[in-house]
Amino acid sequence: GAVVSQHPSWVICKSGTSVKIECRSLDFQATTMFWYRQFPKQSLMLMATSNEGSKATYEQGVEKDKFLINHASLTLSTLTVTSAHPEDSSFYICSGNDRINTGELFFGEGSRLTVL
Amino acid sequence: AQSVTQPDIHITVSEGASLELRCNYSYGATPYLFWYVQSPGQGLQLLLKYFSGDTLVQGIKGFEAEFKRSQSSFNLRKPSVHWSDAAEYFCAVGAAEYGNKLVFGAGTILRVKS
Repeated sequence: GAVVSQHPSWVICKSGTSVKIECRSLDFQATTMFWYRQFPKQSLMLMATSNEGSKATYEQGVEKDKFLINHASLTLSTLTVTSAHPEDSSFYICSGNDRINTGELFFGEGSRLTVL
Repeated sequence: AQSVTQPDIHITVSEGASLELRCNYSYGATPYLFWYVQSPGQGLQLLLKYFSGDTLVQGIKGFEAEFKRSQSSFNLRKPSVHWSDAAEYFCAVGAAEYGNKLVFGAGTILRVKS
């Protein structure tokens, strides 16, 4: 299957700082990328959908100014958590949908963010 | 609105016993259906998927699932569970009409006792 790589795998930061998470599709072109968040012992919740070259679409309740998503190329999407707070500590997972649009999403390994 | 229900939060089975994890969905479109497994602190691994055709789908690690449209269900089964199957299992549903974004169930934690 297609491979999606996320970086960093884990990050610890101080409250008030910003953190950037990268999501790369290594062997396919991801026209659409989805960002999910998973709190401890909970399921995955979709945060936003990004299409290459256009603004991301955020799910209800997700602050677009806090979670900045950029999808500037067909192989890279980034999520920046701005002015992070302890309640933003979570597991963030990206996934990509290829140009063939088969309906299958390919997931990254996830990035665990801990905000102190 | 789209929703996915996994009614069992925890399931415990004995090693070697059969397993069935339930998944029901409510969707306003023809769904794509997936089962994923997640070990603690890890990402998701796709077990199997259904898009169309044969409603009994075979996956990796000996898992299978059956799509029953009349019951809006996509239950996951395995005839003989191994201790290494202990993990959390997520059912997910998507559709082209909704841009292929996946909606996940709450997950079922599987414990295997020896």
